[in-house]
Amino acid sequence: NFMLTQPHSVSESPGKTITISCTRSSGSIATNYVQWYQQRPGSAPTTVIYKDNQRPSGVPDRFSGSIDSSSNSASLTISGLKTEDEADYYCQSYDSSNRVFGGGTKLTVL
Amino acid sequence: EVQLVESGGGLAQPGGSLRLSCAASGFTFSSYEMNWVRQAPGKGLEWISYISSSGTTIYYADSVKGRFTISRDNAKNSLYLQINSLRAEDTAIYYCARENNDWLLDYWGQGTLVTVSS
Repeated sequence: NFMLTQPHSVSESPGKTITISCTRSSGSIATNYVQWYQQRPGSAPTTVIYKDNQRPSGVPDRFSGSIDSSSNSASLTISGLKTEDEADYYCQSYDSSNRVFGGGTKLTVL
Repeated sequence: EVQLVESGGGLAQPGGSLRLSCAASGFTFSSYEMNWVRQAPGKGLEWISYISSSGTTIYYADSVKGRFTISRDNAKNSLYLQINSLRAEDTAIYYCARENNDWLLDYWGQGTLVTVSS
C-alpha cells in the first residue's frame, strides 16, 4: 500500500495563488489518476479536479491540477483566491485494491 | 438527480454492532461500484471499503479488515456496511460514495454519524 502526503495547512490572501502538493510514497504518481476534493465544514466532499487535471463542470478555471513524475507528486493550484475557497482539500488515488486519500490540507484565505 | 442517503448510525457501545445503509436513487445503481469512506471528528477522510457493481469483488482497508463487511442489494438499490466489535476509534461520520469509470468518487451521501461510547 502507498500513502499520499499533503501539507497540513496553507494560508494566503485573496487574489493570490496557492499550490497544494500531494506526494505518493511508492509507485509512480503517473500510473493512477489523482483526484482532488474540496470539503467545507459540515458538508460532504465535492470534486474540484479529476483524472489529474480535469475540471468538472461548474468548477471555476481558477482551479487546476497537474502531476510531476520527477517529484512523484500531484499538485492542486488555485489562482485568484476567494474567501469562498477556504476549505479542506484532499487528494485521492488508488491501486489495484485500495483507494487512498491524502491527509488533507486546510486552506485559509486571510 | 443522483441521491445517496445513509442511515443506521447512532450511539453504540464498545464491542457492539451496527449496520449502516445507503439508499441510492437517480441512477442505475447496479452499474456502479460503490465505496464507504469515514471521517473521524476533526480528522481527514479515510477510505474503508469498495464493492464492485455486481458485488463479486470487495476490498477493505487494513484498519477494518475482519470487522467490517460491505454488501449490496441491487434489487433494492441499497449499499450496506456491517460493523462488528465496535471500538471507540470507529467513531466517525460514514459516507457512501459512488465510483465512476475514472476511479472518481463522484457522488457522496450526507453521511451518518456513528458514536461508540459506553
